[in-house]
Amino acid sequence: EPEVTQTPSHQVTQMGQEVILRCVPISNHLYFYWYRQILGQKVEFLVSFYNNEISEKSEIFDDQFSVERPDGSNFTLKIRSTKLEDSAMYFCASILDRGRPYTFGSGTRLTVV
Amino acid sequence: GESVGLHLPTLSVQEGDNSIINCAYSNSASDYFIWYKQESGKGPQFIIDIRSNMDKRQGQRVTVLLNKTVKHLSLQIAATQPGDSAVYFCAETGAGGTSYGKLTFGQGTILTVHP
Repeated sequence: EPEVTQTPSHQVTQMGQEVILRCVPISNHLYFYWYRQILGQKVEFLVSFYNNEISEKSEIFDDQFSVERPDGSNFTLKIRSTKLEDSAMYFCASILDRGRPYTFGSGTRLTVV
Repeated sequence: GESVGLHLPTLSVQEGDNSIINCAYSNSASDYFIWYKQESGKGPQFIIDIRSNMDKRQGQRVTVLLNKTVKHLSLQIAATQPGDSAVYFCAETGAGGTSYGKLTFGQGTILTVHP
């Protein structure tokens, strides 16, 4: 069964450093998403990406965040200057079309110290 | 101040019992609903979905019920097994129109199945 792959599984970074979280969505999918989950809380939407541009973003997704699909297979989330409160699990997801079930990756646990 | 994690509802059942997990959704414009299972340290795993033109859908050992009048979803798990122990989330989205498929998750329910 096709999978969404995320790397690394765990990243520890110093506050103020830049991090890039990487995802390889399912190859024929067209809509791509990043979500995050702070420990013990519900999953929160960050951003959606379609047709090579951001289609929707949440209030969490401020100027410190950016996404890219540089080569038609990878989908990255960059946090320019990490803060302690960015510590969370970050999930990538993709769908073939709206109204279809999402496939989530297994997540990257980001720890900012 | 420091934020405090949500205190998730919990459901504790014996192996073999039927489980019912409930969820209230917020957006009356949502027309596609999904239940996810999340095990510790893993991503959400799809269980079953339902569109707003239906009020019931069955899968293997699972049934989802949708009541649009009161904006309520439920997930029924038949003959619950220890492997069903996890956090269960409902999620809502729009399947078309101006929606780009953003999912809004509910707060989750912790299901614990005792052997």
